[in-house]
Amino acid sequence: AQSVTQLDSQVPVFEEAPVELRCNYSSSVSVYLFWYVQYPNQGLQLLLKYLSGSTLVKGINGFEAEFNKSQTSFHLRKPSVHISDTAEYFCAVSDRRDQAGTALIFGKGTTLSVSS
Amino acid sequence: DAGITQSPRHKVTETGTPVTLRCHQTENHRYMYWYRQDPGHGLRLIHYSYGVKDTDKGEVSDGYSVSRSKTEDFLLTLESATSSQTSVYFCAISDGTGNSYEQYFGPGTRLTVT
Repeated sequence: AQSVTQLDSQVPVFEEAPVELRCNYSSSVSVYLFWYVQYPNQGLQLLLKYLSGSTLVKGINGFEAEFNKSQTSFHLRKPSVHISDTAEYFCAVSDRRDQAGTALIFGKGTTLSVSS
Repeated sequence: DAGITQSPRHKVTETGTPVTLRCHQTENHRYMYWYRQDPGHGLRLIHYSYGVKDTDKGEVSDGYSVSRSKTEDFLLTLESATSSQTSVYFCAISDGTGNSYEQYFGPGTRLTVT
C-alpha cells in the first residue's frame, strides 16, 4: 500500500530564512502529489499539486515543490519565510490515476515554526 | 473557499452515546470524505462516498457508519462513542473530473468523548 513519510515532525526557522520540508512516498508508480497547509484551528488548504509535466511546481504564498521520480520525493521549499507561515504542513499522494475520487494518503505532518 | 460546512463545530459527549456529525457542501461535487486527525497520525480516512447512497470504508472505519441520501450531505455516525474516538473530524469534497484530483476541506469538528 502507498505510504507517505514526512521526514521532520518539527522545523523551527527564523524569519526570512529559507526552508525545506521533506516528503517521500513509497510507490514507484505514477502518482499525483499534493501539499496542504493547516493554520491553527482551521481546515486544510491546498498549497500546490503535481499531476504531470514540469517537475517544479509553484504554489500559493511563495511556496514551490520539486517532484523527483527517481528518489520518490516531493520536497516543499520557500526561499524566505514569514511569521505568518507558521502552520502545519501535510504532504499527500494519490496513486490511483485511473480512478477519480480516490482518497488521498497523508503524511503525519510537519510543524513549521517561524520566529523573529 | 469551497462551500463546505460542518456541524457541530465542537461537541462533548459521554462514552456510549450515539453521535452524528454533518457535512454539507454547496459545490455539487460527487465525492465526499470523512477523515480524522490525531496528533502524530496526520489525517486518516474513515469513510468516503462516490455518489448518493454509494459509500465505502477507509483505513479506520471500525465504530463508524456513514450515509449520503443527498448529493450535498454526508453524515458520519458514531454508534456508541468511545474515548478513542476523541479527535478532530474533517470532511472533504472532490469533483474528481478531468485533472481535478485535489480535495477541499471543511473547517472541522472537534469531538471530545468523556
